[in-house]
This record gives sequence, C-alpha cells and structure tokens, in this order.
Amino acid sequence: GQQVMQIPQYQHVQEGEDFTTYCNSSTTLSNIQWYKQRPGGHPVFLIQLVKSGEVKKQKRLTFQFGEAKKNSSLHITATQTTDVGTYFCAGLSGGSYIPTFGRGTSLIVHP
Amino acid sequence: DTEVTQTPKHLVMGMTNKKSLKCEQHMGHRAMYWYKQKAKKPPELMFVYSYEKLSINESVPSRFSPECPNSSLLNLHLHALQPEDSALYLCASSPGGQQQETQYFGPGTRLLVL
Repeated sequence: GQQVMQIPQYQHVQEGEDFTTYCNSSTTLSNIQWYKQRPGGHPVFLIQLVKSGEVKKQKRLTFQFGEAKKNSSLHITATQTTDVGTYFCAGLSGGSYIPTFGRGTSLIVHP
Repeated sequence: DTEVTQTPKHLVMGMTNKKSLKCEQHMGHRAMYWYKQKAKKPPELMFVYSYEKLSINESVPSRFSPECPNSSLLNLHLHALQPEDSALYLCASSPGGQQQETQYFGPGTRLLVL
C-alpha cells in the first residue's frame, strides 16, 4: 500500500530560525495536503498542492510539490512561538479520496 | 457554518460501559470519517461514510460501531472497550468523497478507558 514518510519527527528551533519538514511517498501522488495540529488541538487544513513542481506561499510558510509528485516540503521562515505544533503531510493517489498521513513533524520553538 | 462539532469533549468509561460519540456538520458535506489518534501519532482512519453509506471499514474491532443517521450526523457507539482504546477520536467531513477535497476535522473526543 501507499506509504508517506515524513522527517524529521521532532525539530527544536530558537525563535527566528527557519524550519523545514519533508515528505516522501512510495508512489506518485495525485495531490498532497498539509495540516497543522496545535498541542491539545485537532488537525487544521493548511494547503493542498496538485501540480508537479508547484510552490505556494502563505505568509512565512512555503509549500513545495516535487516535479515527480513523490515528495513535498513545508518551510517556515523566521519561526515564531505561534508556529508550535505538529505538521502533517497527507498524500492522495490512485483515485482515492482518503489521504495517507505522514507521521508528522513536531516543531518546538524556544523563545 | 464551516465547523464540525463533536460531543462530548472528554469521556471516561469503564470496560463494561456503553457510550456513544457524536459528530455533526452543517456544511452539506456528504463524506464523513472517524479517525483514532494516539499521542504523538498521525490520525488513523477507522470508518468512512459516503452519502450515508458505510464505504470503508479499516478492520476496526466490533466493539466500535459507527452509525450515520442522516447526512449531517455521525455517531460512534462504544461497547466493552479496552484500556488501549484510550485515544483522541476525531470526526472529519469532506464535500463529496472526491479527490482534491479538504477534510475538515472536529475538535475530537478525548477518551479514557479504565
């Protein structure tokens, strides 16, 4: 079955430093979604990438979808304490509408 | 209304109890999902209802029984649970079960089985 690997599992940064999390799929994806889950909260949709090589920005967040549609990344510039949480990628492929979640990257920002 | 609501927020139950988790959305979505999430893990799909019909059951033990009374409501009936079933139970919905749809998650029910 489809597998989505996400690294790193944890990342500690000082406030103001950058942060990146990476996802790799064992199969070609039709699209990939990113979610953020704050501590004690629930996953909240951030963005969806569909096109090969697509890059989308939301303020300090930059999302990329690889040319082969098998990998994706989320980059946060100049982290803030409000960025704390776990970031999940979720890939879809093979005509399914059920996403396969990566294991998530927990971001800890030290003030 | 772009919200998925879940009740109760917290639930403590014994292994012999019967309880139900409830989920509601008024976005007109026709696909609804139950996920189980353990600490530090991603959400794990349990059931999917599409147009009020159970379309996916991810080999979930029979002590979990889903029900979709109508297009806005989703229940999860719990009976004879085990301590290892303690987790955050998340409900989600999406417009119509098509690709490229966003899943909207509810706040979850934190379940503790004693």
